[in-house]
Amino acid sequence: GQNIDQPTEMTATEGAIVQINCTYQTSGFNGLFWYQQHAGEAPTFLSYNVLDGLEEKGRFSSFLSRSKGYSYLLLKELQMKDSASYLCAVPPLAAGNKLTFGGGTRVLVKP
Amino acid sequence: DAMVIQNPRYQVTQFGKPVTLSCSQTLNHNVMYWYQQKSSQAPKLLFHYYDKDFNNEADTPDNFQSRRPNTSFCFLDIRSPGLGDAAMYLCATSRDGVNTEAFFGQGTRLTVV
Repeated sequence: GQNIDQPTEMTATEGAIVQINCTYQTSGFNGLFWYQQHAGEAPTFLSYNVLDGLEEKGRFSSFLSRSKGYSYLLLKELQMKDSASYLCAVPPLAAGNKLTFGGGTRVLVKP
Repeated sequence: DAMVIQNPRYQVTQFGKPVTLSCSQTLNHNVMYWYQQKSSQAPKLLFHYYDKDFNNEADTPDNFQSRRPNTSFCFLDIRSPGLGDAAMYLCATSRDGVNTEAFFGQGTRLTVV
């Protein structure tokens, strides 16, 4: 089976940093994805982690700890356009071609 | 250039009247997915194709069917839409589904009247 947990909502101020946590329990591990989804639009790929550690990509970074079943997405220098839902997805090893999402975290950036 | 194209962007259908949503891709990816997303919820996987192999999710209602006549096209058929089927339907593709990202179309927003 597969279980993914994320906070439902977070609010932060423009220019600040926000960390979105994702914990998972899955049969096997095949990597962890983060997607961004603006309201009314399709999800877009942000990052993929398969090894432990931090991957940095501009203002966005993603961290993974496989032993803890834990990841976070770090958004720095927040901009108003970062207001969106952030979806964590962990494909189970036994069904590598099946991508299912956690509930998503809605981030609201305030001026 | 759009790589995963869904038509139409908005679809209105009558209660109980069959409707088909279409998806095409120019990426030549092996895997195509259909997701249903209701307001303020995460996308929910309905089914996916790996090449011609169809994989249905256990909790996908029989009312939802899919066809993939070739690599590029995939269709979602809703045989008898109910009011509860009003949602955004997202099509996505991935090269082989393992360790590769999924690319999403812009979705079709279905309204049932």
